[in-house]
Amino acid sequence: GENVEQHPSTLSVQEGDSAVIKCTYSDSASNYFPWYKQELGKGPQLIIDIRSNVGEKKDQRIAVTLNKTAKHFSLHITETQPEDSAVYFCAALPWAGTALIFGKGTTLSVSS
Amino acid sequence: NAGVTQTPKFRVLKTGQSMTLLCAQDMNHEYMYWYRQDPGMGLRLIHYSVGEGTTAKGEVPDGYNVSRLKKQNFLLGLESAAPSQTSVYFCASATGAETQYFGPGTRLLVL
Repeated sequence: GENVEQHPSTLSVQEGDSAVIKCTYSDSASNYFPWYKQELGKGPQLIIDIRSNVGEKKDQRIAVTLNKTAKHFSLHITETQPEDSAVYFCAALPWAGTALIFGKGTTLSVSS
Repeated sequence: NAGVTQTPKFRVLKTGQSMTLLCAQDMNHEYMYWYRQDPGMGLRLIHYSVGEGTTAKGEVPDGYNVSRLKKQNFLLGLESAAPSQTSVYFCASATGAETQYFGPGTRLLVL
């Protein structure tokens, strides 16, 4: 079955710097890759997603890139702000799957 | 719309006690999921449902049961709680298997 590895597990950056979180997946047939942000004491919330027929997608300061050949995808946050501090989860949906497979999460800390 | 709600928000149980966690959604979603979140373990899928009257096992189903008698509700039961079930439980719902909407979580402590 599908397996998703996420790195790093923790990431500390200065305000204004960029942050990159990477995930690899094992099932080459997976076709949907979302990213979730979980603030302290809350449930995860979708922030951006990408499908297998697209290489990159942007939404203001966040972007996701997908490399199907290498089977990895990354979340890029530019001009980080303290409110970006949270746990970020990547996930993959196997083709015809009924449930997302989540990575173990990355704790991002942005210091001012 | 309230989205996804979970009841209760926090509960303390003694080993061997039973309880039911309730998840409700008002978005007419077909798919519903129960996860547990533990430090360093990410989100682990317990059980899920792809429609009213259906349930399926996830990654860590042992010690839990579920029911989906109504489309808007998904119940998670612990028949005999164990300290290893101390965790934060999240419910999610989705139109299909893609974009999931999560509830605020239930913190469970088993003594």
